[in-house]
Amino acid sequence: GAGVSQTPSNKVTEKGKYVELRCDPISGHTALYWYRQSLGQGPEFLIYFQGTGAADDSGLPNDRFFAVRPEGSVSTLKIQRTERGDSAVYLCASSPGGNRAYEQYFGPGTRLTVT
Amino acid sequence: AQSVAQPEDQVNVAEGNPLTVKCTYSVSGNPYLFWYVQYPNRGLQFLLKYITGDNLVKGSYGFEAEFNKSQTSFHLKKPSALVSDSALYFCAVRDGPSYGQNFVFGPGTRLSVLP
Repeated sequence: GAGVSQTPSNKVTEKGKYVELRCDPISGHTALYWYRQSLGQGPEFLIYFQGTGAADDSGLPNDRFFAVRPEGSVSTLKIQRTERGDSAVYLCASSPGGNRAYEQYFGPGTRLTVT
Repeated sequence: AQSVAQPEDQVNVAEGNPLTVKCTYSVSGNPYLFWYVQYPNRGLQFLLKYITGDNLVKGSYGFEAEFNKSQTSFHLKKPSALVSDSALYFCAVRDGPSYGQNFVFGPGTRLSVLP
């Protein structure tokens, strides 16, 4: 079946611009996670949705970052006034419930480069 | 707050030999532990998890991991390594099932299996 998809795969933007990154989770998965991965490091948690609501947004680095999941499926990560330090691979993962809860299935990521 | 350590940046092993990739963790409650693998130019893939029950957990591709509460470890093992196992491996922990808890990933260990 279809896995988690993320668009775009690559995004180059200028410092100060606004960007949106999209995640399409696996159909039926109730939980959705956003992570940021810098070169040579493990994924860093940003935000977690259970259904439409953000259950934990403690990983968002500052108020320039915001994410939504209005219908409990597709999610968009929004970054305002981008900075060079925002450059990273942004990963999305979704997770089913039941006895497979907490198993995260990752998308290929969006590589964001801020110039 | 929870944390994960992967003390080895790189592990080299000859094909056919057993492999071990180490992981230690710190949580205040009951640990939920996970291993993921990242192949070049591909997303992270779930390998296995420990939630409760038997300390030895079996997962995908012949991998297994042993939960050791007294040593706060969750080392990944495979009896006979394959060249195709060469990849980046991440250990992750979550502090129990409590609503709002997020995942913390280790920095990763690069496994090289030599023919």
